Amino acid sequence: GESVGLHLPTLSVQEGDNSIINCAYSNSASDYFIWYKQESGKGPQFIIDIRSNMDKRQGQRVTVLLNKTVKHLSLQIAATQPGDSAVYFCAENRENNFNKFYFGSGTKLNVKP
Amino acid sequence: DVKVTQSSRYLVKRTGEKVFLECVQDMDHENMFWYRQDPGLGLRLIYFSYDVKMKEKGDIPEGYSVSREKKERFSLILESASTNQTSMYLCASSWTGGSYGYTFGSGTRLTVV
Repeated sequence: GESVGLHLPTLSVQEGDNSIINCAYSNSASDYFIWYKQESGKGPQFIIDIRSNMDKRQGQRVTVLLNKTVKHLSLQIAATQPGDSAVYFCAENRENNFNKFYFGSGTKLNVKP
Repeated sequence: DVKVTQSSRYLVKRTGEKVFLECVQDMDHENMFWYRQDPGLGLRLIYFSYDVKMKEKGDIPEGYSVSREKKERFSLILESASTNQTSMYLCASSWTGGSYGYTFGSGTRLTVV
């Protein structure tokens, strides 16, 4: 399944499928990006980050892709599990200031058993 | 396990009351932040602090103030609570110039009646 970020805030996928969550950012000067996962009743938690000098970064079952040309970020989750159900946010760092991030509104991922 | 602790998970206050939201971090982070989270609007920065007794306005500071008397503690104050301040409030902290972004607390859901 694939989302289009703000225009489709909820993404439903079948357990075991791959998920793709998208995020568009606005500032071409943004140079550091983070994906967060927020489970119900909890604060956001760091998943994976990427710097603007990279196009791709992989973690455990997650991959982040960065396309600076179109200012687009995506999070791919392989073999989605019920525990992946959460809201996912991208955050961009602007002004070369690691102390200040701007967050997207998030995409809710529902994993169907 | 390092963490950011918010003193209350749920609060119900009356219109016009003065409300204090407390946040404590045990990671010796220089920076602390207060966000509010509303459906469809994502995380919006209210205030942040780079050092003890230092504060800066974020994107939506109106109706709020903050206090940082000690490095580990950052308080958000609603001077006269209003119903439009009903929201989820998230506290976060970070290293100066650090990667990995913020460590978030679990949030305080405030209802103003």
